[in-house]
Amino acid sequence: TQLLEQSPQFLSIQEGENLTVYCNSSSVFSSLQWYRQEPGEGPVLLVTVVTGGEVKKLKRLTFQFGDARKDSSLHITAAQTGDTGLYLCAGARGAQKLVFGQGTRLTINP
Amino acid sequence: GAGVSQSPRYKVAKRGQDVALRCDPISGHVSLFWYQQALGQGPEFLTYFQNEAQLDKSGLPSDRFFAERPEGSVSTLKIQRTQQEDSAVYLCASSLEKLNTEAFFGQGTRLTVV
Repeated sequence: TQLLEQSPQFLSIQEGENLTVYCNSSSVFSSLQWYRQEPGEGPVLLVTVVTGGEVKKLKRLTFQFGDARKDSSLHITAAQTGDTGLYLCAGARGAQKLVFGQGTRLTINP
Repeated sequence: GAGVSQSPRYKVAKRGQDVALRCDPISGHVSLFWYQQALGQGPEFLTYFQNEAQLDKSGLPSDRFFAERPEGSVSTLKIQRTQQEDSAVYLCASSLEKLNTEAFFGQGTRLTVV
């Protein structure tokens, strides 16, 4: 049973386009994290959102936490080929356990 | 080292063989986590240590899986009598304090059971 559902699972777009990736759950999380994972590497943390409705920006990436702290989105503006990778959302259940979504595999074509 | 180090990077085991996977967390990090990542999936939680204490092992899939961190630093994940469904990447992560601080992941150990 996947507590966190990510959509789409696969996304292939052209360089310069905008995109949004979604992370949805029926459960409330105390915080939500977004990671990016390259092949053969471990996930690397991009951002943590804690407050419902919170918006955080990291250069061309915008992260939003839903008001009810059950869902989140990642928006990338003017995608670049270097943005290619597996994007994972993860929700914190209490202080000790991260629950991951299945990931969105993003490919940016030149 | 500067980051979380895992060894070996790759392991091929014959079905029924026992394996031991090692994790060297970042020095001084209190929390250590093990995750299992199947091909094309997100990581699945296995177990959590705070220093040497194993506070949560609810994700271990069977009693063939065992983890320890005897001195609160290096951790070992042991899998006994490996089966094909154990094939996955095993990721270790550490964080300075509680989980809601940044968790740093190692590169993982890719286990293939043949």
